[in-house]
Amino acid sequence: QKEVEQNSGPLSVPEGAIASLNCTYSDRGSQSFFWYRQYSGKSPELIMSIYSNGDKEDGRFTAQLNKASQYVSLLIRDSQPSDSATYLCAVDGQNFVFGPGTRLSVLP
Amino acid sequence: EPEVTQTPSHQVTQMGQEVILRCVPISNHLYFYWYRQILGQKVEFLVSFYNNEISEKSEIFDDQFSVERPDGSNFTLKIRSTKLEDSAMYFCASSGPSGGVNEQFFGPGTRLTVL
Repeated sequence: QKEVEQNSGPLSVPEGAIASLNCTYSDRGSQSFFWYRQYSGKSPELIMSIYSNGDKEDGRFTAQLNKASQYVSLLIRDSQPSDSATYLCAVDGQNFVFGPGTRLSVLP
Repeated sequence: EPEVTQTPSHQVTQMGQEVILRCVPISNHLYFYWYRQILGQKVEFLVSFYNNEISEKSEIFDDQFSVERPDGSNFTLKIRSTKLEDSAMYFCASSGPSGGVNEQFFGPGTRLTVL
């Protein structure tokens, strides 16, 4: 059973701080990794994709991948209250597997 | 900006009835997916579809479920003989070729309530 694990949270950070979200996965053959944001009652929204070891930056978001450690992370710089949502890690091996999500709360 | 659309937004049905959930993927996408999310739980993969056939399916996607692309735009999920535990949000997604084969874009979902 391929698993994707995330801390469920809630992770609370003050406005303007850096939020750090972590994800581990079990399938060593996975090649593609994704972060989605899901507001309550809404559908997942793609934020970032990462395929190679290292960092990938897009605006305030940085995704980090370490395949040897089977670890993916998402950093959100200058966190805003509008970033408050559940962040889903997804891993594409044989099937697309989502983690349970980490609930982020950015406090004004 | 192109987006995935789904209808209806909310479907209420009686246990044992059949429902069809409809999706219109992004027009130049080639890969289509269905997921479900039971309230308070994680998003679960059901099935992927490419070139007019199922490419992968999960253990959840048993004989109760079927998918079809009846024309050039729609992608449907049929659930036969619905059960109480089928109550969930059902999301359609599509991907490729633009933006990468694996980058899946989700529709707004259909909330299915089985009474």
